[in-house]
Amino acid sequence: GQNIDQPTEMTATEGAIVQINCTYQTSGFNGLFWYQQHAGEAPTFLSYNVLDGLEEKGRFSSFLSRSKGYSYLLLKELQMKDSASYLCAVSLDRGSTLGRLYFGRGTQLTVWP
Amino acid sequence: ETGVTQTPRHLVMGMTNKKSLKCEQHLGHNAMYWYKQSAKKPLELMFVYNFKEQTENNSVPSRFSPECPNSSHLFLHLHTLQPEDSALYLCASSQDGTGDQPQHFGDGTRLSIL
Repeated sequence: GQNIDQPTEMTATEGAIVQINCTYQTSGFNGLFWYQQHAGEAPTFLSYNVLDGLEEKGRFSSFLSRSKGYSYLLLKELQMKDSASYLCAVSLDRGSTLGRLYFGRGTQLTVWP
Repeated sequence: ETGVTQTPRHLVMGMTNKKSLKCEQHLGHNAMYWYKQSAKKPLELMFVYNFKEQTENNSVPSRFSPECPNSSHLFLHLHTLQPEDSALYLCASSQDGTGDQPQHFGDGTRLSIL
């Protein structure tokens, strides 16, 4: 089966930097998505990595190492509104699983003042 | 405004009832998805429709029946559900089903089975 691991919970203070890790072991790989989900709301798309390296988008950056099966989401200058669940999802590239997303359980981030 | 609208937002039903969940997307996408989100579990893919054709049925019990009349609308028909089916049901859409485009999610229907 497909295995996507990320920490269950993290806490940080306003203005700080936090790194949320995701490791994966999957039968094939197309790319890796990060989503943000506030309680009671829809998951919203944050980033998509296909190639190794760092993708920066404002306060959020995402890193991928395909050889290590590893990604992280980096959040800078944390704000209270960043308190949410962050979902890591792997897209597969082959056969009957083409296009399917496999999600981790999500990391609940709490930002304290 | 997410571009993907789900109704109802909340639904309480008995195990013998029949109800339907509705999803509508205004993004011009060709692929639509149903997911189940339970506490402490990863999002579980239930069904995939690509250009109105069902391309995935992830071993979902027959008490869940999807319908996709056109590329903008997706339904999930429910009958004789079990208490363990209580969860958040999320609809999503993407440009196509190849997996290299982000999926856009609705706010979900919170389903409670009595």
